[in-house]
Amino acid sequence: GIQVEQSPPDLILQEGANSTLRCNFSDSVNNLQWFHQNPWGQLINLFYIPSGTKQNGRLSATTVATERYSLLYISSSQTTDSGVYFCAVDVDPIIQGAQKLVFGQGTRLTINP
Amino acid sequence: GAGVSQSPSNKVTEKGKDVELRCDPISGHTALYWYRQSLGQGLEFLIYFQGNSAPDKSGLPSDRFSAERTGGSVSTLTIQRTQQEDSAVYLCADAGVGGELFFGEGSRLTVL
Repeated sequence: GIQVEQSPPDLILQEGANSTLRCNFSDSVNNLQWFHQNPWGQLINLFYIPSGTKQNGRLSATTVATERYSLLYISSSQTTDSGVYFCAVDVDPIIQGAQKLVFGQGTRLTINP
Repeated sequence: GAGVSQSPSNKVTEKGKDVELRCDPISGHTALYWYRQSLGQGLEFLIYFQGNSAPDKSGLPSDRFSAERTGGSVSTLTIQRTQQEDSAVYLCADAGVGGELFFGEGSRLTVL
């Protein structure tokens, strides 16, 4: 099956810093999503981005499907950005929302005040 | 409610007992998923339901696990004869036609 590798596994930064999280995958994908799991365990969908670039406020993501990687950028980080960031991919085409995502192991981000 | 709702939020049970976990998806979303997250790990796919099609059970770890979805809405995940290795957070998600997954807050299961 497809392999998903995220790096770095841990990242500790001061408030205000910028960060880049990387997701490598071993096969072509039809679906790639980034999630943030906050310290209380809630998973929030950040981006659905099988290719191209998207931005949402201080967060942006780029997926280069031909080179099998995706990057999540966080600018001017805040303490509320702390948590675990997961990349998840699916190789099957989406049919009416159906998908079986394979998750990476996550990057644990800690933003210190 | 506006989001995916799961219950109970926490469940402690003794080894060998059966447990039921419930998921109430967002109204109108046709696809429903169950994932499992063990301590410090990523998420593991268990099962998904898509409309009236037969569910994809390929991720269920053993025949002690089963799930049903009644009326295309509420879903129940049942674990029979629980084992300590079943301890995890069980997460339900649904998806709109755009494909984005929306997760509930999870049910934390502890098997003593």
